[in-house]
Amino acid sequence: KNEVEQSPQNLTAQEGEFITINCSYSVGISALHWLQQHPGGGIVSLFMLSSGKKKHGRLIATINIQEKHSSLHITASHPRDSAVYICARNYGGSQGNLIFGKGTKLSVKP
Amino acid sequence: EPEVTQTPSHQVTQMGQEVILRCVPISNHLYFYWYRQILGQKVEFLVSFYNNEISEKSEIFDDQFSVERPDGSNFTLKIRSTKLEDSAMYFCASSTSGTSGSDEQFFGPGTRLTVL
Repeated sequence: KNEVEQSPQNLTAQEGEFITINCSYSVGISALHWLQQHPGGGIVSLFMLSSGKKKHGRLIATINIQEKHSSLHITASHPRDSAVYICARNYGGSQGNLIFGKGTKLSVKP
Repeated sequence: EPEVTQTPSHQVTQMGQEVILRCVPISNHLYFYWYRQILGQKVEFLVSFYNNEISEKSEIFDDQFSVERPDGSNFTLKIRSTKLEDSAMYFCASSTSGTSGSDEQFFGPGTRLTVL
C-alpha cells in the first residue's frame, strides 16, 4: 500500500501554463517534502513544509494538514521545468526517513 | 555551496559479489540516509544513521546490507552478496537534524548499480 498518492502521474503542458500537482497522504505528518528528479536521476529538495504555503521563484507549495493534502504549483512553466516531481512524507516516529510518492512526470513543450 | 557526493557514479558487478557504495555527506550534517530506486519505480528508504549507529531500517535492509562511517567524512553502504534484484540507483542523503522528518534532506547524485 502506497501511503503517498500523487496525481496526475503524467502531465504535459505548453510553455507558460500554470501547473498543479497534487499529493495526498494517509497518516498524520510533521512535514511534507517536495522534490524534483531530473532525467539524469539526481534529486533536489524543493520544499519542506508543515503548514500553510511556501514560495520559491515560480514554485509554490501549499499544504492542508487537516485534509492531508498538498499541492505544488508552477507558474509560467518553462521547458526547463520538465522533470519528475515527487512528494514525500516522513516515515513516522521521530525519524526523518522519507516515504515517497511515485512522482509526477512533467513535460513542458515550447 | 556544499553538496553530497557519491562514488562511483556507475558500478557493474557480477551476482554474488560484494559492492561498497561511498558517500561523502555535507560536513556539518549529523543524519545520513540511504535510499534506492529501482528503474521505473519510486524511491524507497533503506536505512538512516546517526551518532555512529543505525537509527532505523526498512524491510529491504536485510542482513546482506550494512552501513558504516569509517572516518569523519565517508558514509558507506555495503551489499555483501549482490543479487539481480539489487540493481537500482542508490541515493545517499544527509540532513542537519533527523527529528520528525522536519529537516531538509540533501541528496547525492546517486550510484547506479547494475548486477549481472
